[in-house]
Amino acid sequence: AQRVTQPEKLLSVFKGAPVELKCNYSYSGSPELFWYVQYSRQRLQLLLRHISRESIKGFTADLNKGETSFHLKKPFAQEEDSAMYYCALSGGRSSNTGKLIFGQGTTLQVKP
Amino acid sequence: DTGVSQDPRHKITKRGQNVTFRCDPISEHNRLYWYRQTLGQGPEFLTYFQNEAQLEKSRLLSDRFSAERPKGSFSTLEIQRTEQGDSAMYLCASSTRTSYNEQFFGPGTRLTVL
Repeated sequence: AQRVTQPEKLLSVFKGAPVELKCNYSYSGSPELFWYVQYSRQRLQLLLRHISRESIKGFTADLNKGETSFHLKKPFAQEEDSAMYYCALSGGRSSNTGKLIFGQGTTLQVKP
Repeated sequence: DTGVSQDPRHKITKRGQNVTFRCDPISEHNRLYWYRQTLGQGPEFLTYFQNEAQLEKSRLLSDRFSAERPKGSFSTLEIQRTEQGDSAMYLCASSTRTSYNEQFFGPGTRLTVL
């Protein structure tokens, strides 16, 4: 079964602390993994994807195929990082649909 | 605003009524997706179009749901004989065919069925 699991509904940290948002997935094949973010009163937007291997707003995520994980990390949290974060997967080039399967989301709360 | 737009933003209806939502994608995007999001959950895929062709439908899309994209531009999602379980946020997203994994989302239509 295709599934994305985000075990934490809420993650609360203080400004400057490291952040790790967990994501595990189940997929038979070679999926593409993404992190989408939704700031308060804004629409859902792409934060980063594993194939880009880039850092966006200080966030990075590494795909670990052995552990089927794609955790999102940032060394020093900022208050403006407070948002809802969704991990998502698609079937990659083999499926070509672009259909995204989302996790339940994790609310990141960065306290001053 | 050149982003994805959805109309209406909010809809309150009584059980048994029909509702229709509209999505206008980014103009050069030929793929259009519909998702549904209930409280506390992530978006769930409903269906997608490439140009005017509806290429995939989720099992979530019961016979009461129908989506169209007649000219390959805007799309409509109709729900007939609404039920309280249809209450949700309905999200539309669009992408190009080649960058299909980078989806741009609209603000959503929040449906409340009384």
